[in-house]
Amino acid sequence: DTGVSQDPRHKITKRGQNVTFRCDPISEHNRLYWYRQTLGQGPEFLTYFQNEAQLEKSRLLSDRFSAERPKGSFSTLEIQRTEQGDSAMYLCASSLVWSYEQYFGPGTRLTVT
Amino acid sequence: GIQVEQNPPDLILQEGANSTLRCNFSDSVNNLQWFHQNPWGQLINLFYIPSGTKQNGRLSATTVATERYSLLYISSSQTTDSGVYFCAVGGKAAGNKLTFGGGTRVLVKP
Repeated sequence: DTGVSQDPRHKITKRGQNVTFRCDPISEHNRLYWYRQTLGQGPEFLTYFQNEAQLEKSRLLSDRFSAERPKGSFSTLEIQRTEQGDSAMYLCASSLVWSYEQYFGPGTRLTVT
Repeated sequence: GIQVEQNPPDLILQEGANSTLRCNFSDSVNNLQWFHQNPWGQLINLFYIPSGTKQNGRLSATTVATERYSLLYISSSQTTDSGVYFCAVGGKAAGNKLTFGGGTRVLVKP
């Protein structure tokens, strides 16, 4: 039984560049969530999907951020024109539709220079 | 939105000591989870406990939903228990997203 996986684990990019992260949820988990965690803080919700439908987006998700889950399996999170304030750990989680319990991946640590 | 407060923010323990971490939340919840974040940033599920009491080895947790708090007990602490412990809740009016507390940073000294 594999857990949630994320790729890449680390990403260093220059300000203004676009980056894309991938999340593969636990098999058969219908719900997929994205969170962001900055240093010394708890994770903050960004968005979530049920199957391929994006059901909720946080106000933290500016126009430069877009998330997709085209076939209801893996998801991608893209950040356009990165800013230094985007530097954070991006966490993905998944759950079954009938259970509230979420399981987290190892995260992608983004550094914008 | 729902507010989550964790106490204490920092905890230093001698190996073998017991401790209690507290999580207070401001509204009714469908979901309450305790996590341990390891030094590499991975969130490890400890308990899913929107109400009641559960035990897993040296760890146990109790949630009193009517009084809007949860407690995590660590007994006979070990150096591997070091890290940050997060409480996260899913409010009944908040959809399925989790709102995290600020965490308790635990350091267990040998």
